[in-house]
Amino acid sequence: DAKTTQPNSMESNEEEPVHLPCNHSTISGTDYIHWYRQLPSQGPEYVIHGLTSNVNNRMASLAIAEDRKSSTLILHRATLRDAAVYYCILTRYGNKLVFGAGTILRVKS
Amino acid sequence: DADVTQTPRNRITKTGKRIMLECSQTKGHDRMYWYRQDPGLGLRLIYYSFDVKDINKGEISDGYSVSRQAQAKFSLSLESAIPNQTALYFCATSDFGTGGLIDYTGELFFGEGSRLTVL
Repeated sequence: DAKTTQPNSMESNEEEPVHLPCNHSTISGTDYIHWYRQLPSQGPEYVIHGLTSNVNNRMASLAIAEDRKSSTLILHRATLRDAAVYYCILTRYGNKLVFGAGTILRVKS
Repeated sequence: DADVTQTPRNRITKTGKRIMLECSQTKGHDRMYWYRQDPGLGLRLIYYSFDVKDINKGEISDGYSVSRQAQAKFSLSLESAIPNQTALYFCATSDFGTGGLIDYTGELFFGEGSRLTVL
């Protein structure tokens, strides 16, 4: 499976946008980019995923570089409830998801 | 009720004991997974099953075994528990995504976790 690289931690102010980066230079053409987050004391939850084009949903936006070697998860207005570990994962169609260490997002009020 | 249910939620046991963690799901998904999480680390895949007759090892399967009793049930066993198996264990399910490459989501749905302590 192709690997991803994320910063260990990031900090944001409440009500401000947050851009969480992910590098995946060895991504293949059939790899999907998935983002999950894990709130304290909970199991991970799906945030968003994409293949080539930018994606938006009610939780976040996913911006994918043109060469697909990197992507950015965008939380448009961070709240205290967004404090979590965010995982960027690559997976191929029909394949399993393998998690890395993720990015710890801290949100300051 | 939760779609993915894990039992027990907490368990303390002693070295050498046999432990079973159970997972059941009501989502009708074919795929089920067991992950382990250690403090400060991400999730590591132990075993996964793409259907009832399919069992696959993940990244860290040594010391663990699984049983897929039915589409809805996937159990993880520690035949002889050891202290370094103390961790938080998560079960997850997903569907295959019948819409093809473009529609594929592969979204995982996780249980609430089972905290295991081996003394």
